[in-house]
Amino acid sequence: NAGVTQTPKFQVLKTGQSMTLQCAQDMNHEYMSWYRQDPGMGLRLIHYSVGAGITDQGEVPNGYNVSRSTTEDFPLRLLSAAPSQTSVYFCASSYSGTSGGAFDEQFFGPGTRLTVL
Amino acid sequence: DAKTTQPNSMESNEEEPVHLPCNHSTISGTDYIHWYRQLPSQGPEYVIHGLTSNVNNRMASLAIAEDRKSSTLILHRATLRDAAVYYCIKVSGNTGKLIFGQGTTLQVKP
Repeated sequence: NAGVTQTPKFQVLKTGQSMTLQCAQDMNHEYMSWYRQDPGMGLRLIHYSVGAGITDQGEVPNGYNVSRSTTEDFPLRLLSAAPSQTSVYFCASSYSGTSGGAFDEQFFGPGTRLTVL
Repeated sequence: DAKTTQPNSMESNEEEPVHLPCNHSTISGTDYIHWYRQLPSQGPEYVIHGLTSNVNNRMASLAIAEDRKSSTLILHRATLRDAAVYYCIKVSGNTGKLIFGQGTTLQVKP
C-alpha cells in the first residue's frame, strides 16, 4: 500500500491564483481530512469527509473548497490564494465508526508546503 | 469547545520513562483521547488512543483518570528517536474530528 499520498510536495503561488492540492489513499478509508500547519503551531482542521459525497467544515474553512467524488481522493482547492494561506498542508485518512463509535488512527500524508507571494 | 491543555515542553534522559500529562476537563462521554506525535518535517504519527480504560500498545501506554478529565502518555524507555512534539487530542466519537492543541515538545538527552 502507498498509504496517503499528496501532490505536489512544494508549490509557490502568486496572490489571486487558484490551485488544487491532491490527496489520495489506497486503504479504502471512509474518513478523510485536510489540515494546515503554520510555523511553530499545531495543526488546524480545514475540511473533512466521512465518505464519498459528504463533506463538512472544520476550524478554518474560509478560502478553501473540497469535494469527495470517490473514496480514494479528497482534493483541496484554493479559490484565490492569499499570503495568509502560506502553510504546510496535511491530508489524513482513517476508518470510521468502529465499535462504540471510535475512530481509528488517522494516517497522515507527507504534506504540501505552499508559499503564496 | 475547549482544546486540551499540555505543558509546552519536557525533557527526559535516554532510556528513562517519560510521563506526558494532558488535561481535558471539558471532555464529553463520547469523546476519545488520542495521542499523536510529530517528528521534525514530517506529518503526525498515531501513538495510542482510549476511552475510559488504560491502554497499552507497542509504542506506549495511556493512563486515563477515573473522571476522564486528564490522561498521561507513558513512554517506558525514551530513545533519541522519541524526540518530537506530542499532541493530546479529544476526538468526537460522533464525527471523528481531530482538533489539535499546541502539544508538548519532548527533548530526549543522551
